Amino acid sequence: ILNVEQSPQSLHVQEGDSTNFTCSFPSSNFYALHWYRWETAKSPEALFVMTLNGDEKKKGRISATLNTKEGYSYLYIKGSQPEDSATYLCAFRGYGGSQGNLIFGKGTKLSVKP
Amino acid sequence: KAGVTQTPRYLIKTRGQQVTLSCSPISGHRSVSWYQQTPGQGLQFLFEYFSETQRNKGNFPGRFSGRQFSNSRSEMNVSTLELGDSALYLCASSLAAESGYTFGSGTRLTVV
Repeated sequence: ILNVEQSPQSLHVQEGDSTNFTCSFPSSNFYALHWYRWETAKSPEALFVMTLNGDEKKKGRISATLNTKEGYSYLYIKGSQPEDSATYLCAFRGYGGSQGNLIFGKGTKLSVKP
Repeated sequence: KAGVTQTPRYLIKTRGQQVTLSCSPISGHRSVSWYQQTPGQGLQFLFEYFSETQRNKGNFPGRFSGRQFSNSRSEMNVSTLELGDSALYLCASSLAAESGYTFGSGTRLTVV
């Protein structure tokens, strides 16, 4: 059974703090790693899809890195704002068969206090 | 452009009944996948369809089934409902395997 782990489970920061979360996934048979933001009462929203080892992606104050050889990805938020409060999900997709399914971690819940 | 539309938004069913949930993907998206979320659990993959064919299936009992129509709309059916099937069911569509998924607002199913 494929396992995707996210840490920490939850995080409380002050407005203006920078923060980062970790996603660990299988290091073999890698195809893609997705990051999503899920705000309360809304649908999950795609942030990044990363496919190459060493990939770095950026969207505004949010960026992500990928290490497929060791099986981890980091999501960084610079200067957190209250509107960044959400659950951040990562999802792993491998090659073929059941590994072709998009397997989600349980998420990191971020709360940003003004 | 219109997003992913799921109907109904809320549903209450009795144990033993069956239920059908509907998902209309973004126009042009041929891949539709379904997920279940229960308290304390992450999004659990149910199945994925592409061009009317089931491409992958998650680890769920045979009571859970789905299909996709020629217009890419998808339905998910759960027969002989159990209390543990109470969950948020999300549908997502994508253009390609390399693309991110666009999620619908979900159907909240309560089994009593």
